[in-house]
Amino acid sequence: EPEVTQTPSHQVTQMGQEVILRCVPISNHLYFYWYRQILGQKVEFLVSFYNNEISEKSEIFDDQFSVERPDGSNFTLKIRSTKLEDSAMYFCASSGRGGARNEQFFGPGTRLTVL
Amino acid sequence: AQKVTQAQTEISVVEKEDVTLDCVYETRDTTYYLFWYKQPPSGELVFLIRRNSFDEQNEISGRYSWNFQKSTSSFNFTITASQVVDSAVYFCALSEDGTSGSRLTFGEGTQLTVNP
Repeated sequence: EPEVTQTPSHQVTQMGQEVILRCVPISNHLYFYWYRQILGQKVEFLVSFYNNEISEKSEIFDDQFSVERPDGSNFTLKIRSTKLEDSAMYFCASSGRGGARNEQFFGPGTRLTVL
Repeated sequence: AQKVTQAQTEISVVEKEDVTLDCVYETRDTTYYLFWYKQPPSGELVFLIRRNSFDEQNEISGRYSWNFQKSTSSFNFTITASQVVDSAVYFCALSEDGTSGSRLTFGEGTQLTVNP
């Protein structure tokens, strides 16, 4: 069964460093998402991406964040200068079509720890 | 704006008990979708069910059942004869139709602990 994969599973970085979280969505999917879950809290939407551009972003997704689909398979989230409060689990998701009716398939997540 | 409220932060039951997890939502849209996800201790998000706003029929899947009531804006989830493996955090989520990349808005989650 096709699945969303994410690497690395755990990333530790120093405050102020740049990190890139990688995701490989399901191969025939066209819509991609990033969500964040601070430890013990709810899952929060960051950004959605379609046709090589951002469809929607939340207030969390400020200028330090960026997303990219550098090739036909990867979807990345870059945090330019990490802060302590960026420590969280980051989930990538993809769906075959847009719209609320279509299930978003989640990856296993990348746990980011900022020291 | 869309909002999901899961008032029960933690629930603890003994195995074989039935347990209901509450979910109340807010939305201005007439077309929307409701979801339940399970997050076991390993951390991944496991999709359980999707329900659209026009379908108020209750659904049963094995030991799981869902009760959708538009009149009270609720989408409650019941586990019958709970098992230790049901221990997890359960999230209710809402997505509004009308945009191409529809965000999921999650509730705070309910930590369910099933004790042997």
